[in-house]
Amino acid sequence: GENVEQHPSTLSVQEGDSAVIKCTYSDSASNYFPWYKQELGKRPQLIIDIRSNVGEKKDQRIAVTLNKTAKHFSLHITETQPEDSAVYFCAACFSGGYNKLIFGAGTRLAVHP
Amino acid sequence: DTAVSQTPKYLVTQMGNDKSIKCEQNLGHDTMYWYKQDSKKFLKIMFSYNNKELIINETVPNRFSPKSPDKAHLNLHINSLELGDSAVYFCASSHLPTNTEAFFGQGTRLTVV
Repeated sequence: GENVEQHPSTLSVQEGDSAVIKCTYSDSASNYFPWYKQELGKRPQLIIDIRSNVGEKKDQRIAVTLNKTAKHFSLHITETQPEDSAVYFCAACFSGGYNKLIFGAGTRLAVHP
Repeated sequence: DTAVSQTPKYLVTQMGNDKSIKCEQNLGHDTMYWYKQDSKKFLKIMFSYNNKELIINETVPNRFSPKSPDKAHLNLHINSLELGDSAVYFCASSHLPTNTEAFFGQGTRLTVV
């Protein structure tokens, strides 16, 4: 079935440390993998996405890696800052022709000063 | 300037009532969605419309009826509200119906008492 598993559910780091969030997906035909950040009481917003024709993408302190064979993708945040504290969602676009984004359960990241 | 806007932001109502949530996007996107976020922050797609045509209809009680009068608007009507309908409902839109970023509205927090 359509499933995206995300770990860990909570993550607590010290400012300046790195944070890694991992996701696995079930549909081997999925080819679009966005990551969304949701601050408390706010809307989810895209922070980075990756398509299946690349294995890694980087945007300043944020990077995403994709292993299509293992059906696994990860978000890496380096030099974390308190404003990185939020809930992060991975998602996979499942095949079938339409943008059926299936989200992971979310990771609550807390960055302590 | 708001890209995807929904009204109302908060909705408190009694069990058994019928209520509607409205959504409008000014991005010129062809595809719009309704997502439900429960108390555990889990984001689940409910419906998707592409150019006013229903393209995704997840397993949602038929008390929920979406309506798209034009491609810039997608409304959600809920009949006979139940306690379990309490959640945050997010409208979203994307340029294409597949493999593209979804832009979320600010959410409507529905509380059924």
